Amino acid sequence: NAGVTQTPKFRVLKTGQSMTLLCAQDMNHEYMYWYRQDPGMGLRLIHYSVGEGTTAKGEVPDGYNVSRLKKQNFLLGLESAAPSQTSVYFCASSSGGSANTGELFFGEGSRLTVL
Amino acid sequence: AQKITQTQPGMFVQEKEAVTLDCTYDTSDPSYGLFWYKQPSSGEMIFLIYQGSYDQQNATEGRYSLNFQKARKSANLVISASQLGDSAMYFCAMREVLTNAGKSTFGDGTTLTVKP
Repeated sequence: NAGVTQTPKFRVLKTGQSMTLLCAQDMNHEYMYWYRQDPGMGLRLIHYSVGEGTTAKGEVPDGYNVSRLKKQNFLLGLESAAPSQTSVYFCASSSGGSANTGELFFGEGSRLTVL
Repeated sequence: AQKITQTQPGMFVQEKEAVTLDCTYDTSDPSYGLFWYKQPSSGEMIFLIYQGSYDQQNATEGRYSLNFQKARKSANLVISASQLGDSAMYFCAMREVLTNAGKSTFGDGTTLTVKP
């Protein structure tokens, strides 16, 4: 029972390099999210998707792009990495928009360091 | 204004004692959900408990209970009979259905340390 899987788990980039984080969920969830967590802080929403083919900006979207070509996958791209993007990235999914559901299921996190 | 406020950066509790982690929230949405998540030192995020804005009774899940005071906009987590394995970071989160497209907003967390 995989749940939410993120790859890679760790990555070191040089400033200016690009990379893509992949998130895959096997729970048939409509909603998917990318968060970043900086030391001593909570999670901040980067981008999210409410269904296949849709994406929207979250709280801190600058410097990131996303795509949701398939319902089960949500990709986060960094086109030109900056040291300020050093963080732990979490992907999450949830089943829908009702307040009576919506528990987030998280991946294990991806630790990104930009030198 | 912050939507979720956790005023206790760190808390200590003796093993087997109960502890309350504070969370206040701010929303004008009549339909929202409140969640608590645990993040151990290994880094994963674990869902603990949920309270809906229309729920009349406080949520409970095993040793976890949520003290929901709607008028005060507080959703404190109570952990009874603390165990060493409860040492972790705890996050309060709110999901607003109508005004925030169902997205979840997190507080900055409280680090709980359980002493033997």
